[in-house]
Amino acid sequence: SQQGEEDPQALSIQEGENATMNCSYKTSINNLQWYRQNSGRGLVHLILIRSNEREKHSGRLRVTLDTSKKSSSLLITASRAADTASYFCGGSGGSNYKLTFGKGTLLTVNP
Amino acid sequence: NAGVTQTPKFQVLKTGQSMTLQCAQDMNHEYMSWYRQDPGMGLRLIHYSVGAGITDQGEVPNGYNVSRSTTEDFPLRLLSAAPSQTSVYFCASSYSGPYGYTFGSGTRLTVV
Repeated sequence: SQQGEEDPQALSIQEGENATMNCSYKTSINNLQWYRQNSGRGLVHLILIRSNEREKHSGRLRVTLDTSKKSSSLLITASRAADTASYFCGGSGGSNYKLTFGKGTLLTVNP
Repeated sequence: NAGVTQTPKFQVLKTGQSMTLQCAQDMNHEYMSWYRQDPGMGLRLIHYSVGAGITDQGEVPNGYNVSRSTTEDFPLRLLSAAPSQTSVYFCASSYSGPYGYTFGSGTRLTVV
């Protein structure tokens, strides 16, 4: 079964607004990763948060992890039209060798 | 670095045919994985490998075989293609430990 489940399935916002996507996972993880996929392209790694971390920042991205609730959130601040893409969370146990994903959130940023 | 290279980019097969999807990486990554992506289903893990000579099944392994004879290559074989295997296939690789995966650009496979 798939490890991550993103919520919402689709999100539409205006340029400049913040976008928040949530992810829940089923089994214990060693790390949780977020990826972006532009239409018809491969996934691009955005950020990784380890199970012993609670929050991590990278540019306009902020990721939180709550292992007690088995959930994570991705915040994109000051969104741009170029942020329009599908976003996936993936959970990995052990040494990162088995990464499984949820179904993704489709983010549309309107200019 | 070329990253992760997948060939072919597009393929049409007839039901019952066999073929091999190629995946190569030049980053000396230990871990390699194959995923399929179907509309509304996200990415599902087919098979993965933690090093040369070591492979294991993922979430949806039926109908697919893999081998890993070298660190660089991780081919995916469809033994007898079925319409249910129509999908976009992605190969990905990573170092061991807390690192992100690098994905290839995908192979779009249609089985008629």
